[in-house]
Amino acid sequence: AQTVTQSQPEMSVQEAETVTLSCTYDTSESDYYLFWYKQPPSRQMILVIRQEAYKQQNATENRFSVNFQKAAKSFSLKISDSQLGDAAMYFCAYRSAREYGNKLVFGAGTILRVKS
Amino acid sequence: DTEVTQTPKHLVMGMTNKKSLKCEQHMGHRAMYWYKQKAKKPPELMFVYSYEKLSINESVPSRFSPECPNSSLLNLHLHALQPEDSALYLCASSQTLAGGIVDTQYFGPGTRLTVL
Repeated sequence: AQTVTQSQPEMSVQEAETVTLSCTYDTSESDYYLFWYKQPPSRQMILVIRQEAYKQQNATENRFSVNFQKAAKSFSLKISDSQLGDAAMYFCAYRSAREYGNKLVFGAGTILRVKS
Repeated sequence: DTEVTQTPKHLVMGMTNKKSLKCEQHMGHRAMYWYKQKAKKPPELMFVYSYEKLSINESVPSRFSPECPNSSLLNLHLHALQPEDSALYLCASSQTLAGGIVDTQYFGPGTRLTVL
């Protein structure tokens, strides 16, 4: 079974600075997808960024980018120019491209605090 | 703005009550999901519907009864719940269960359920 590990329960960043959230995963598969979801205190889980494992190029979405290291099974999220609105719980998630059910395997989450 | 809506936002019920949670999506998705989320924990999958048929039940107690009346609607009927069932209930949808990148899950804002 696949597992996802987020080793940082909490992180803090100063407004306008850059922060990196760590995520590692364990799988024997070669075809899969990785996601970062953000859940602010308002509760809604919002997709931040996604990565297809067969693509070597790291995904980027505005201030959010990932460092995808397939051999190391690492998928970290970099947030540039941090804003107060980035404060949230961030979940890293894995999804097999082969297994039935489209199931997400979530990490435990990282709480990001943004200081003004 | 979310394209997955959930009602009600909050629900308080007694252990003998019967209530229902509602989820609606207008993205033309054919797969819908129910998750349960405890505070500061990742979501736990409960049920998955595909083309209005129940595809996955993650061994959820029978006091939770899902229903998918049509491709846009998903209900979760609640009966004889326990205080430990108090949680945030999230609905999600995806294009299908086929497992491609287009089958990314999008979440609703959730219903905060309190069982007294």
